[in-house]
Amino acid sequence: AQSVAQPEDQVNVAEGNPLTVKCTYSVSGNPYLFWYVQYPNRGLQFLLKYITGDNLVKGSYGFEAEFNKSQTSFHLKKPSALVSDSALYFCAVRGPFPRDDKIIFGKGTRLHILP
Amino acid sequence: GAVVSQHPSRVICKSGTSVKIECRSLDFQATTMFWYRQFPKQSLMLMATSNEGSKATYEQGVEKDKFLINHASLTLSTLTVTSAHPEDSSFYICSAVSLKSSYNEQFFGPGTRLTVL
Repeated sequence: AQSVAQPEDQVNVAEGNPLTVKCTYSVSGNPYLFWYVQYPNRGLQFLLKYITGDNLVKGSYGFEAEFNKSQTSFHLKKPSALVSDSALYFCAVRGPFPRDDKIIFGKGTRLHILP
Repeated sequence: GAVVSQHPSRVICKSGTSVKIECRSLDFQATTMFWYRQFPKQSLMLMATSNEGSKATYEQGVEKDKFLINHASLTLSTLTVTSAHPEDSSFYICSAVSLKSSYNEQFFGPGTRLTVL
């Protein structure tokens, strides 16, 4: 069965420093991978996705993620963190056929950007 | 484009009453919508898959008689929490899959905070 692991409950980064939020996955077949961000009492906002092609995916708000097939990872990165990046981040994977419409979410990582 | 709305955004009700939550795709048609619930500081858990014109598919452990789902049109799905109890208090989020999407991309609504007293 497919699964997603986010090993860190919380990540603290000083403003202006690079940030990384880790994600590893387990899925049969070719994965569809996603990152979403959630602000307090809000729904999910899409950041970026990997479907196929270039392993480095660029997304919204300056975020990017690198698909690493050998390490089954899809870490989220940003070169210079902003205080406004503080939020809850979810890594997600789409299921394989026939449930390729079903999204499995990681448990989330809370990102704190310190001024 | 690809905006999903939910109504209400927040609802407080008494134990034993029923609450209806609407999920609308505003600028696209969606044959499939999904309903998730999220407990505080936890991830989203898929409750059910709602298909236009047919019965919803519920995930294991979700009571279909308690969480009634209706997907009457290509732009509207409703979740009714029947005989709500305090343990049903949660954040409910829907998503919709665009007919035009080449890989079944889901677009998420802003969520509905349900508090049962």
